[in-house]
Amino acid sequence: RKEVEQDPGPFNVPEGATVAFNCTYSNSASQSFFWYRQDCRKEPKLLMSVYSSGNEDGRFTAQLNRASQYISLLIRDSKLSDSATYLCVVNQKGTYKYIFGTGTRLKVLA
Amino acid sequence: GAVVSQHPSWVICKSGTSVKIECRSLDFQATTMFWYRQFPKQSLMLMATSNEGSKATYEQGVEKDKFLINHASLTLSTLTVTSAHPEDSSFYICSAAGTSGSVGTDTQYFGPGTRLTVL
Repeated sequence: RKEVEQDPGPFNVPEGATVAFNCTYSNSASQSFFWYRQDCRKEPKLLMSVYSSGNEDGRFTAQLNRASQYISLLIRDSKLSDSATYLCVVNQKGTYKYIFGTGTRLKVLA
Repeated sequence: GAVVSQHPSWVICKSGTSVKIECRSLDFQATTMFWYRQFPKQSLMLMATSNEGSKATYEQGVEKDKFLINHASLTLSTLTVTSAHPEDSSFYICSAAGTSGSVGTDTQYFGPGTRLTVL
């Protein structure tokens, strides 16, 4: 079993739709969680950290469920510019080491 | 803040040559730098972790004699791909983490990547 698992997609959604991605992790010692966005042939860029209480940044909402060991990302009112691969990342307390999921590809269609 | 640069952004070389890639943290001190490799349509795979002034820690399956990493200062790490072959063609991305100003202690900041093509 992979340490971090994501549905690779692609998720094809119309503009304005709401879309949600889930990510599961296997290591219960994982302490920090992030969503990164990666555009084709570019480096990953931090979208948002994920906090225990859940957090929101504009159209993006991230949730963490430690009991079930998954995190989620909700995107509301999808824009064409949201088309990208979304990477789920976890790391353990006290280390900088990131474990990446394979990414979920999103295509927002006009 | 938290800007990481990489140089070169792309390189084409002949098989058998060595290629050096630089990774710099521009506005913070990176106590730890990471080197990743990404093949098309795959996720990032960590190659090695380097701490300033000490030897790099390589992930399983990564040849340390082929991928030489030097982290000589808190702002610079280099990856040298020695005797490159076509199968080494990939997207190499570095990241940096550290404690300086507003930089988070557990957050990695990524460089723009280096696309290596070995002919």
